[in-house]
Amino acid sequence: AQSVTQLGSHVSVSEGALVLLRCNYSSSVPPYLFWYVQYPNQGLQLLLKYTSAATLVKGINGFEAEFKKSETSFHLTKPSAHMSDAAEYFCAVTLVTGANSKLTFGKGITLSVRP
Amino acid sequence: KAGVTQTPRYLIKTRGQQVTLSCSPISGHRSVSWYQQTPGQGLQFLFEYFSETQRNKGNFPGRFSGRQFSNSRSEMNVSTLELGDSALYLCASSLGVHSYNEQFFGPGTRLTVL
Repeated sequence: AQSVTQLGSHVSVSEGALVLLRCNYSSSVPPYLFWYVQYPNQGLQLLLKYTSAATLVKGINGFEAEFKKSETSFHLTKPSAHMSDAAEYFCAVTLVTGANSKLTFGKGITLSVRP
Repeated sequence: KAGVTQTPRYLIKTRGQQVTLSCSPISGHRSVSWYQQTPGQGLQFLFEYFSETQRNKGNFPGRFSGRQFSNSRSEMNVSTLELGDSALYLCASSLGVHSYNEQFFGPGTRLTVL
């Protein structure tokens, strides 16, 4: 079975500061990993995904994440936070070998951006 | 291309009632998955349908059921509602069932059980 751990439930940064949201996964087989963002009263939007190609993945809105197998991590970063980045962020995992699309999500992290 | 649509967006029911939620996937997508989102449990997988067949099911009681129609539209039903069923129910569609297929999420249906 696969699982995702997102440490902490809330991160607060100043506008222009580095954003770092942590995600660690557990999987018995190679995983696909995803980061989703959810704005209030909306569904989930895919930020980026790792599907066993390049370990450094670039996504939308200036976000990127690096897959580190040795650390079982897939942390999300953005060099400079913008007020519009305030939202809830979810890391998710699914199995490469799975003939299904089931996503297992972390608990989510709320990102606040201070002016 | 229109995104995933879910109806209704908001719903208020009382305990013991039943409810049906609807999801229309992106045109051409044949796989539909449902998730429940609550503050306490986070996002949990309910079930997945492909070509009118349930392919995968999460750990929810039998009160939760779903189906998919030939046009790929999907419905989920919850019978004998309990207070704990209050949640945001999200539907996601993808081209196929494989894990590399990106899932596109709808805005959700907010269900409140009184």
